[in-house]
Amino acid sequence: AQSVTQLDSHVSVSEGTPVLLRCNYSSSYSPSLFWYVQHPNKGLQLLLKYTSAATLVKGINGFEAEFKKSETSFHLTKPSAHMSDAAEYFCVVSESSGTASKLTFGTGTRLQVTL
Amino acid sequence: GAVVSQHPSWVICKSGTSVKIECRSLDFQATTMFWYRQFPKQSLMLMATSNEGSKATYEQGVEKDKFLINHASLTLSTLTVTSAHPEDSSFYICSVQGVTEAFFGQGTRLTVV
Repeated sequence: AQSVTQLDSHVSVSEGTPVLLRCNYSSSYSPSLFWYVQHPNKGLQLLLKYTSAATLVKGINGFEAEFKKSETSFHLTKPSAHMSDAAEYFCVVSESSGTASKLTFGTGTRLQVTL
Repeated sequence: GAVVSQHPSWVICKSGTSVKIECRSLDFQATTMFWYRQFPKQSLMLMATSNEGSKATYEQGVEKDKFLINHASLTLSTLTVTSAHPEDSSFYICSVQGVTEAFFGQGTRLTVV
């Protein structure tokens, strides 16, 4: 069985400061890991994904995440927050990168960006 | 990547009526689609896996007779909420699984009054 734990339900940062959203996972197999962003009343947009290639993954909008197997972590970071980054972020694990694989979502982290 | 379109984006209905939500894969033939429900300030919970040409697979605790899923073609899956009640009010999202990632529709906000 697979599971995802997002350690913070809410993170608040000032514009221009770094962002760290934490995610730990549990998986019986080699997982694929994703970070998705959701703006209010919108669908989910993929930020980045790890699928057993490079452990440091760069995504859109300046976000990146590092897969650390020894720590079972996949934390999301950004060097400098922008007001437009305010949204809900979901860490997601899949035990198969093939088709029809089931996704398990974390509970989400709401990122607030203040002036 | 695949483009997934959901319709309607929001709907209000009266208790006891039925509502149909469509999920279309615009540029990808999907033998499988997924339906999720998201309550306010909560994560997405998988409701069911929609299989083209066969019965959907429902997650534990999801009533198959209440949430009817039809996947008649490779580009269209529908979710019908039958005899809707206020507790069915939620955000419903469908997704299509690509080779290495999932693509999500924009979601449907259902409000039952």
